[in-house]
Amino acid sequence: ETGVTQSPTHLIKTRGQQVTLRCSSQSGHNTVSWYQQALGQGPQFIFQYYREEENGRGNFPPRFSGLQFPNYSSELNVNALELDDSALYLCASSWGTDTQYFGPGTRLTVL
Amino acid sequence: GENVEQHPSTLSVQEGDSAVIKCTYSDSASNYFPWYKQELGKGPQLIIDIRSNVGEKKDQRIAVTLNKTAKHFSLHITETQPEDSAVYFCAARSNFGNEKLTFGTGTRLTIIP
Repeated sequence: ETGVTQSPTHLIKTRGQQVTLRCSSQSGHNTVSWYQQALGQGPQFIFQYYREEENGRGNFPPRFSGLQFPNYSSELNVNALELDDSALYLCASSWGTDTQYFGPGTRLTVL
Repeated sequence: GENVEQHPSTLSVQEGDSAVIKCTYSDSASNYFPWYKQELGKGPQLIIDIRSNVGEKKDQRIAVTLNKTAKHFSLHITETQPEDSAVYFCAARSNFGNEKLTFGTGTRLTIIP
């Protein structure tokens, strides 16, 4: 087990709503990366936060946004939810560019 | 951007036999290649990784080989056990930019007792 935790474990939202997912990084790690994993697919990179600044973004629209706090924990916010946003959202923590360790994920279902 | 292809998508192996999963990548600047194992309802777990200055790495029953010229890398699992059944993902990371991982599409490995 890694020291990366995510909450909630799963949640159900309806189209148009907003959602906030949370991630606590492993002790000693200063970087958090977020990934979206659709059913039967590999994780897709959303964005990365390093020392509270966004450090790169994948091919996701601006309604996907994030934050990193001074203790290096992080939030992923998704506005105006769409059906296609239904997926497992994973966060991974690392020390800078070193190995990424994943949390258990948050399963989001949009109805 | 980077593109990672992974084969096969499913693999069934008799317990005790070996399993091999292959990946190719497109970006010659990629320099780090981890392998993750994902069990049902869990996040990906790192099982082994290799950097571009090494051609092979082994950890007990698991080994990874890297051919930089051909831009492909492979996972080898020997003496397979039922607990090896899971989905395996390869990934590649570039030396430039935000150090994101680009994942393959996964291989569902089933070990037949």
